[in-house]
Amino acid sequence: DQQVKQNSPSLSVQEGRISILNCDYTNSMFDYFLWYKKYPAEGPTFLISISSIKDKNEDGRFTVFLNKSAKHLSLHIVPSQPGDSAVYFCAASALTGGGADGLTFGKGTHLIIQP
Amino acid sequence: DGGITQSPKYLFRKEGQNVTLSCEQNLNHDAMYWYRQDPGQGLRLIYYSQIVNDFQKGDIAEGYSVSREKKESFPLTVTSAQKNPTAFYLCASGAASGNTIYFGEGSWLTVV
Repeated sequence: DQQVKQNSPSLSVQEGRISILNCDYTNSMFDYFLWYKKYPAEGPTFLISISSIKDKNEDGRFTVFLNKSAKHLSLHIVPSQPGDSAVYFCAASALTGGGADGLTFGKGTHLIIQP
Repeated sequence: DGGITQSPKYLFRKEGQNVTLSCEQNLNHDAMYWYRQDPGQGLRLIYYSQIVNDFQKGDIAEGYSVSREKKESFPLTVTSAQKNPTAFYLCASGAASGNTIYFGEGSWLTVV
C-alpha cells in the first residue's frame, strides 16, 4: 500500500512558466515532508522541506505548500528553467514519532522543461 | 570535502556471486540507509541503521545483508539469493532517523 503517491509520472512545462508537482499521502502520522531532485545516474539531491506546523515554505524559485486536511502537498517552481528537467521525488516521515522508519518516498514525477 | 562516497560506481556480477557495495560518510550522521531504484519503481528501502552495530530490514531486504561496525561505514552485500539484482543502488545518511537524508552518487550493479 503506497503511503506517498505521486500520480503524475511525467509533466511537461514551457520554460519560464510555473511547474507544479503534486504529492498525496495517506499516513496521518506523517509530519515532515521533503522534495528531492534527481538527474539520471546520480543520487537525489535535497531541495526543500516543510514541517506540518507550516503550510508554506519558500526557498528561491521553489515553494512547497502543505494542505494537511487534504493530505496533499505541492512543489511550485517559478520560473521553470531547462536545468529543472529531472525526476522529482516527494518524501515523508513521522518525525515527531521518532522517525524510526525513515523517509517514505513516492515513485517520482519526471519534469520536462521545454524551450 | 564532507559527503557520502559510494564505490564502485559500476559493478558487474556473475550469477551466483556475492558482491559488496561500499558506502562511507564523513558527515557524523547516526542514521544510514540503502535504497534501490528500478525504472518506474521510485526508491525502495533495503536496509537502514540508526546506530552503530544495529540495523533493520526495509521493504525489500531479501537477498541483501549489511553491517554497521563503524559510524562512518554501511556496506551492502548483494548475495546470490537476490533474484533480480540489476539496479541502481543508493546509499544515504541523516543526522537522525526520519529527518532529512543526503544521498551518495549511486552504484550501478549489472548481472552478466
